[in-house]
Amino acid sequence: SQQGEEDPQALSIQEGENATMNCSYKTSINNLQWYRQNSGRGLVHLILIRSNEREKHSGRLRVTLDTSKKSSSLLITASRAADTASYFCATRNSGGSNYKLTFGKGTLLTVNP
Amino acid sequence: DTAVSQTPKYLVTQMGNDKSIKCEQNLGHDTMYWYKQDSKKFLKIMFSYNNKELIINETVPNRFSPKSPDKAHLNLHINSLELGDSAVYFCASSHIAGVNTGELFFGEGSRLTVL
Repeated sequence: SQQGEEDPQALSIQEGENATMNCSYKTSINNLQWYRQNSGRGLVHLILIRSNEREKHSGRLRVTLDTSKKSSSLLITASRAADTASYFCATRNSGGSNYKLTFGKGTLLTVNP
Repeated sequence: DTAVSQTPKYLVTQMGNDKSIKCEQNLGHDTMYWYKQDSKKFLKIMFSYNNKELIINETVPNRFSPKSPDKAHLNLHINSLELGDSAVYFCASSHIAGVNTGELFFGEGSRLTVL
């Protein structure tokens, strides 16, 4: 079954604007990860946030995690055309198999120059 | 050097044929995966091996058979291909060291088209 659900499904912005993508999930997690996928390419890991963390930064990326609401957000600041890609959240659930990483359906971000 | 490499990148074949996709990682990871991405970009895990042992086997038709000859390699063999098998298949690897680690490193994908 689907764990993460990204919102919105598609987002189109102008270069320089900020982009916010949200992810909701259903079960308890050990960590939540965000990945980027450029068209026709494999997924690339962006950032991992543990269940006991609330916020994490990496360059122009800011991720928040609210375990009470079972949701996370990815903020990309000062977007660039090169940020155009699909972004996926993925959860590693607590309990059960620690090896399984379950992906959401993704948000397609288009950054217009 | 490519960290996770999979071959072939493109595969076009007829229904009923058997095909294989190979994957190799040079990251020294102990866990490898196969994911299937459909036309709507939904990624679904199929299999996972840890140190050559099958640890995840999702609801996948038994026409799909993974094989891990060693922990750096994970191959996927598909028998009697069907139209619905058309997708992009991704190999990935990770290092599992406790519950709070395990980012995945993905290959570039193998696009399978069944005619």
